[in-house]
Amino acid sequence: QQQVKQSPQSLIVQKGGISIINCAYENTAFDYFPWYQQFPGKGPALLIAIRPDVSEKKEGRFTISFNKSAKQFSLHIMDSQPGDSATYFCAARGTNAGKSTFGDGTTLTVKP
Amino acid sequence: DTEVTQTPKHLVMGMTNKKSLKCEQHMGHRAMYWYKQKAKKPPELMFVYSYEKLSINESVPSRFSPECPNSSLLNLHLHALQPEDSALYLCASTDMGTDTQYFGPGTRLTVL
Repeated sequence: QQQVKQSPQSLIVQKGGISIINCAYENTAFDYFPWYQQFPGKGPALLIAIRPDVSEKKEGRFTISFNKSAKQFSLHIMDSQPGDSATYFCAARGTNAGKSTFGDGTTLTVKP
Repeated sequence: DTEVTQTPKHLVMGMTNKKSLKCEQHMGHRAMYWYKQKAKKPPELMFVYSYEKLSINESVPSRFSPECPNSSLLNLHLHALQPEDSALYLCASTDMGTDTQYFGPGTRLTVL
């Protein structure tokens, strides 16, 4: 049973546009929601993360929106650049640095 | 130093070989992980060590044997692997204070 559903599977955006990736979770025990960026041949790198007591978090061009009642969260990349082309994974984790549940990933392509 | 290092970067082994993957972090993190990642898939948790003790084993076959010799090192011993075990093996550690998880660059394993 997949506990974190991510969409879309792939996304093509023009340079300067807004990229939006969505995730939905089921387990209400999750209390930490990170987004990872992964380039080919590299390990995932933490991009931004949020906890359920906050509805929005912004770091530079990256924003997480969190809807606790709907059990959904999304990543917005403003002014998307070709260098943002990568695979993005959302994840959800409970307390005590335990198991993370990952979404299936979104391959983002930003066209020049 | 916010880095998780992994050696080797690439490993090719036969099904009868014994090899080991090594992971190191000097951030003082007391939670360390092994993940397996197939192409175009999310990382799949294998093992979690918390304070040098194995806390999670995701029903991984016994041909994979983890070891945590001290708080900075994590090994994954490999024996009698199958071709379907070919994947990117990722090590990670977590700052339990912030829940931030850091991934290493991975070891690309090919089993012939």
